[in-house]
Amino acid sequence: GAGVSQSPSNKVTEKGKDVELRCDPISGHTALYWYRQRLGQGLEFLIYFQGNSAPDKSGLPSDRFSAERTGESVSTLTIQRTQQEDSAVYLCASSLVSTGTEAFFGQGTRLTVV
Amino acid sequence: AQSVAQPEDQVNVAEGNPLTVKCTYSVSGNPYLFWYVQYPNRGLQFLLKYITGDNLVKGSYGFEAEFNKSQTSFHLKKPSALVSDSALYFCAVRDLNRDDKIIFGKGTRLHILP
Repeated sequence: GAGVSQSPSNKVTEKGKDVELRCDPISGHTALYWYRQRLGQGLEFLIYFQGNSAPDKSGLPSDRFSAERTGESVSTLTIQRTQQEDSAVYLCASSLVSTGTEAFFGQGTRLTVV
Repeated sequence: AQSVAQPEDQVNVAEGNPLTVKCTYSVSGNPYLFWYVQYPNRGLQFLLKYITGDNLVKGSYGFEAEFNKSQTSFHLKKPSALVSDSALYFCAVRDLNRDDKIIFGKGTRLHILP
């Protein structure tokens, strides 16, 4: 596609429910990142996929968070048993690897846990 | 591991004055450096990058940044600030000699005062 696409754009969920957030990267981009941004705050790294390498999960805040990527395409970020502190904008980005090119961001999913 | 520091949470500048947003980095090899901007309720937009060559790089909206290897800095600058430059600015580094992951700073909020 023309850019990184994220869905849904907004999600309101009840505390304790599971949610799935989707990211469609730019075609051909083998690197994919998930970040979390709380209101008025900076970017918090969550997870990094690079091609067929094992993902870097070092930023996932708890075992309630997981992410998968199908080959070099779609990625889903799953949050189980959501808590109010999970409320944030979840941003996905993709890039080429080993070229020094920049990452391209989607518009994000705004998650609100009530 | 690579890291990025943005020492100022907020910078206030009068309209028409020059602005500087500071960034320092730490990588094991040659750094690839980036600046992004986030306007209110918008996604992250790429501004400029340093890969190699001239230490002064020019980007969108009249912004430029100077790579200083000895000081491990990549400060963002603009000769004359506009009120519309008010936004959240992120510095990022990519180390192709390691895992090629892009790491972001915490962000600096720039307020341009009319």
